[in-house]
Amino acid sequence: QSALTQPASVSGSPGQSIAISCTGTSSDVGGYNYVSWYQHHPGKAPKLMIYDVSKRPSGVSNRFSGSKSGNTASLTISGLQAEDEGDYYCCSHAAGSTRVFGGGTKLTVL
Amino acid sequence: QVQLQESGPGLVKSSETLSLTCAVSGYSISRGYFWGWIRQPPGKGLEWIGSVHYSGSPYYNPSLKSRVTISRDTSKNQFSLKLTSVTAADTAVYYCASGPWEYDYWGQGTLVTVSS
Repeated sequence: QSALTQPASVSGSPGQSIAISCTGTSSDVGGYNYVSWYQHHPGKAPKLMIYDVSKRPSGVSNRFSGSKSGNTASLTISGLQAEDEGDYYCCSHAAGSTRVFGGGTKLTVL
Repeated sequence: QVQLQESGPGLVKSSETLSLTCAVSGYSISRGYFWGWIRQPPGKGLEWIGSVHYSGSPYYNPSLKSRVTISRDTSKNQFSLKLTSVTAADTAVYYCASGPWEYDYWGQGTLVTVSS
């Protein structure tokens, strides 16, 4: 079970849109419609932003959206705000009711 | 509101067993959800360690499976992590987490350092 592949960093200016990719295999991302995304600020607990590929928990801004094509899932953040800066992790179901996280992406708002 | 709180030693000696407990309030762990453990080594990303289903069935990261045991105590509404034969590579912030969709609820995390 290898970690899902995410870009190490992405950046964007306030108001812009960015996308973070999460690439796995047919044994995880491609095999299940159960990809979630977490926002993580240092020293705090991660926060669930997207689940089941594209669903938003109550209270999460509609600026956050998720999608999937084949073995790659994506998180898109539109209308970037300074508060969106932080680390983002994808997570997928995998065989045997296990989970696998991505390596994480550091988002910088310029 | 569901709340989770990790507890356990912050320092463990190399080759010994790391033991952590996650106390849950606001929801019965025997009623639903998966109850999981996730860790983050210093400067690295999140790693899924494993989880226990509300039915009691455990599931483990294949890379840690030989060293990990996750169990639950429904009478105390808590679940636990045991990691044997620890090394410096097991130094990390350990989180417990759960929720109806994925990991909606998280503990604040506890740093466990493995010393030689």
